[in-house]
Amino acid sequence: KAGVTQTPRYLIKTRGQQVTLSCSPISGHRSVSWYQQTPGQGLQFLFEYFSETQRNKGNFPGRFSGRQFSNSRSEMNVSTLELGDSALYLCASSLVPGNTEAFFGQGTRLTVV
Amino acid sequence: SQELEQSPQSLIVQEGKNLTINCTSSKTLYGLYWYKQKYGEGLIFLMMLQKGGEEKSHEKITAKLDEKKQQSSLHITASQPSHAGIYLCGAVLRAGNNRKLIWGLGTSLAVNP
Repeated sequence: KAGVTQTPRYLIKTRGQQVTLSCSPISGHRSVSWYQQTPGQGLQFLFEYFSETQRNKGNFPGRFSGRQFSNSRSEMNVSTLELGDSALYLCASSLVPGNTEAFFGQGTRLTVV
Repeated sequence: SQELEQSPQSLIVQEGKNLTINCTSSKTLYGLYWYKQKYGEGLIFLMMLQKGGEEKSHEKITAKLDEKKQQSSLHITASQPSHAGIYLCGAVLRAGNNRKLIWGLGTSLAVNP
């Protein structure tokens, strides 16, 4: 069974640009969560999607958005990039939301210059 | 301050030694996860604990959740170089649709052969 796939693995963008990251969950998993990881703040929850609906949202500005498609694949978008958005963005999939085992992808390393 | 405190921040042990990592919250936890991360990569699920007093083991790693469900410890017996990495604890603060996921900053473990 294929794991969680995140693309691209690495990305370099300029301040002010926008970026879209993709996450394909494990087959059969319908819940996808997104996290931002930085050395200083650790792992910060961005949002959670289930059945194409956002179920939960962290404390991030509106520049961060996401969506989920009918095949459970998810994308997150960051507009008007700032230097502080440089981070490892991780996606996790689980069968359903809740206290269940979540499987993480390898992440997308975003660098904003 | 962090809602979920992990200690120690980093740890260097000699191969074969035992070690313990702690994860503490001032609030009751509805679920507690332990993950391992290699630098710059995704998280690998280790264990999930839900009940007060619960203890789980996998190979040489044992995790416990205290009776009050506010503290968890991860214990590695006879450490090996393959145990090296960053150990992260994650916790569910609220259940249901408004569940809140928080994470510790991680414990960096190095095992010297």
